[in-house]
Amino acid sequence: GAGVSQSPRYKVTKRGQDVALRCDPISGHVSLYWYRQALGQGPEFLTYFNYEAQQDKSGLPNDRFSAERPEGSISTLTIQRTEQRDSAMYRCASSLSQGAGSTEAFFGQGTRLTVV
Amino acid sequence: DQQVKQNSPSLSVQEGRISILNCDYTNSMFDYFLWYKKYPAEGPTFLISISSIKDKNEDGRFTVFLNKSAKHLSLHIVPSQPGDSAVYFCAASARGGTSYGKLTFGQGTILTVHP
Repeated sequence: GAGVSQSPRYKVTKRGQDVALRCDPISGHVSLYWYRQALGQGPEFLTYFNYEAQQDKSGLPNDRFSAERPEGSISTLTIQRTEQRDSAMYRCASSLSQGAGSTEAFFGQGTRLTVV
Repeated sequence: DQQVKQNSPSLSVQEGRISILNCDYTNSMFDYFLWYKKYPAEGPTFLISISSIKDKNEDGRFTVFLNKSAKHLSLHIVPSQPGDSAVYFCAASARGGTSYGKLTFGQGTILTVHP
């Protein structure tokens, strides 16, 4: 596709369940970022990859959160044993160049996660 | 610890007038600043950026000003148009070390431009 694609668009899960959120970046983009956005707030950095290498995971809130990008393209953000406080919009972005906090970062539409 | 702050949650402007959106930051390591615009049900889209070696960057109707000593930046939109109505996010990056790809965002300002 032409843009960053995230799936599912909406996810409702019961507390304690694991969820996997998928991001399909723009083809050829080197860098991939995960952000979390609470209502009325700006996106909050979680982690980012250059190719398949996770460069910075300092924003992951705790060890229930993990991310991978095994082939340097599609990425999965996994939240284990979900809690109600994990409810948020999860946004993925990609950029052509490495890192850069970048002008070239394109955001997907996000996955709205609700933990009940 | 909010390192990037947009203190105005909303701004209302008449079409044709100037819109000024403000942003303050606290981290002296930030050296690159961006503005993103977001429409409902869409992801943020890049609007304009500025490096810390500059104090102004202009792109059409959009101009970003940076005051490093005050740790303040602003986005000016002239003339404002109804299609500019959106949420505007200020973001900052410290382009050294392993934090190169990390953006820190403000809370956003909702701009409404009235016809």
